[in-house]
Amino acid sequence: DTVLTQSPALAVSPGERVTISCRASESVSTLMHWYQQKPGQQPKLLIYKASNLASGVPARFSGSGSGTDFTFTIDPVEADDIATYYCHQSWNSPTFGGGTKLELK
Amino acid sequence: QVQLKESGPGLVQPSQTLSLTCTVSGFSLTSYNVHWVRQPTGKGLEWMGVIWTGGSTDYNSALKSRLSISRDTSKSQVFLKMNSLQTEDIATYYCARANLNGYFDYWGQGVMVTVSS
Repeated sequence: DTVLTQSPALAVSPGERVTISCRASESVSTLMHWYQQKPGQQPKLLIYKASNLASGVPARFSGSGSGTDFTFTIDPVEADDIATYYCHQSWNSPTFGGGTKLELK
Repeated sequence: QVQLKESGPGLVQPSQTLSLTCTVSGFSLTSYNVHWVRQPTGKGLEWMGVIWTGGSTDYNSALKSRLSISRDTSKSQVFLKMNSLQTEDIATYYCARANLNGYFDYWGQGVMVTVSS
């Protein structure tokens, strides 16, 4: 299985730029997607195919990368963005990263 | 609009079988693949398996021996059955619709399952 590695947590202040990384154990081309999950809610698709913004998602969210290294950026961060973010690859048998919990400084 | 909703018992006894239903609306099961994903409380997401538009299935290798996914297209329902449940299976179970490139564009609200006697 393709293992996806994310940093576990990041502390941010509103107005800052934050970047979350996701590294795959093998190439997944651009079939990497990003989700936001708030407590008690289902995950919500934000970015698909590495860099495409999902419908209705604000433009301060963005993604980039290909192969094994991917980044997800929020610029600027808003208080409502405090959540856990997951990367997910669909190149082969689906796997998720362990999640990056965004916390307020 | 597109909706998915999971249903099933919230409590299962150890060693028994979990049966969940995902009822979908706003799309056809013959046009979109439906996946099951679970999440232990406070932990990350784990992909469980998929039923493809043609009706075939694929499973997470770690769960394959215990898991079965099926569907009834006339009722727009997808079924999950997993046997030999243990405390490690305590989680919220989600069904999700997958788009062409495999990303999950719609998710159900999830159903919490506890394993206890």
